[in-house]
Amino acid sequence: DTEVTQTPKHLVMGMTNKKSLKCEQHMGHRAMYWYKQKAKKPPELMFVYSYEKLSINESVPSRFSPECPNSSLLNLHLHALQPEDSALYLCASSQDVLANYNEQFFGPGTRLTVL
Amino acid sequence: AQSVSQHNHHVILSEAASLELGCNYSYGGTVNLFWYVQYPGQHLQLLLKYFSGDPLVKGIKGFEAEFIKSKFSFNLRKPSVQWSDTAEYFCAVTPYGNNRLAFGKGNQVVVIP
Repeated sequence: DTEVTQTPKHLVMGMTNKKSLKCEQHMGHRAMYWYKQKAKKPPELMFVYSYEKLSINESVPSRFSPECPNSSLLNLHLHALQPEDSALYLCASSQDVLANYNEQFFGPGTRLTVL
Repeated sequence: AQSVSQHNHHVILSEAASLELGCNYSYGGTVNLFWYVQYPGQHLQLLLKYFSGDPLVKGIKGFEAEFIKSKFSFNLRKPSVQWSDTAEYFCAVTPYGNNRLAFGKGNQVVVIP
């Protein structure tokens, strides 16, 4: 199974809502990532988890809160978002953050709209 | 930190034309190189990758790329494009032993039937 799954596919939320994005992989990968992608732009790294511990936070606002409950799951909790946070949120995984041959496998993304 | 340059952001060509997209990176050490494609409304898919060995790599859908170490380049080619190749193409680089994947700004390719 070389697939990264993400739910939901689409999410519309108000600025006062609390919601969560979920990501799952069953490839035995020990590194998982959250990216944000605006239209016609490349993905921007948000967070990296390595062996279920947060290793990189790219100065992401605290209204985004990641969580890695186990090695297969990655969540992104959302609270008090702004309309400019509307984007495609991509999850990815790779074998190990320090592997020489480090290919990241991407999920289909969650398209988030903040009203 | 490494950076990736892609030029000619918008490319328009006719079916059966040849396509070449340039990718240059700035990093002095050993790198892993990738080309990703994103079809309209779809997610990122890996077209091809280079880790080591033969610098000419073949990917899916008839695409190939050549790694030229001396030029820090990893250009993507396809001899004859189809309408279905209309998509955004991203070059990406990560150094050995590093998980930071640096993307270029992408090439928007439109193939006219």
